[in-house]
Amino acid sequence: SQKIEQNSEALNIQEGKTATLTCNYTNYSPAYLQWYRQDPGRGPVFLLLIRENEKEKRKERLKVTFDTTLKQSLFHITASQPADSATYLCAGYDMRFGAGTRLTVKP
Amino acid sequence: GAGVSQSPRYKVAKRGQDVALRCDPISGHVSLFWYQQALGQGPEFLTYFQNEAQLDKSGLPSDRFFAERPEGSVSTLKIQRTQQEDSAVYLCASSPSGTGGLYYGYTFGSGTRLTVV
Repeated sequence: SQKIEQNSEALNIQEGKTATLTCNYTNYSPAYLQWYRQDPGRGPVFLLLIRENEKEKRKERLKVTFDTTLKQSLFHITASQPADSATYLCAGYDMRFGAGTRLTVKP
Repeated sequence: GAGVSQSPRYKVAKRGQDVALRCDPISGHVSLFWYQQALGQGPEFLTYFQNEAQLDKSGLPSDRFFAERPEGSVSTLKIQRTQQEDSAVYLCASSPSGTGGLYYGYTFGSGTRLTVV
């Protein structure tokens, strides 16, 4: 069955470093992938969408890549800050989500 | 309003009770999704509407779950004879476009936290 997988449940990094989160998809070819941020007690907030013909997309300190050969999207936060601590979710075009990666940025 | 509104924010139900959860999407939004989110998990798809048409209900866990969007705007998720495993946060999301033409992602509500005791 079609599946979105996020490799790590939790990622801890030091402030100022680059956080890299992974999203893999299996058994389908999504026309695009989406990344959302979710804070405790809140609904997810849309961050970025990348289409399969776009290798890379940027928004401020965020960068997303889409590798159709590896069936993978990478989500990068550069110069990370404690305020970036949250759960980050990946979703396919069908709005099915992965389990999320909880990012903690330590000062 | 400016965002997706869900009510009630919290609901405590006794096992066996019926509940109704409401979602007010952004005005004019065509697509509407419902999700169930357990603690520490990603949102699990329940059902999808395009206007008033329920195009996908494959995620509804049992026939106790029912969703409707009769006029293509407000949607209600109903759970009959609630059980403890129904305890979760129920999220609603809407978008101005269908999934095929999506450019700007979906807007989520803050969810309804259902606790079945």
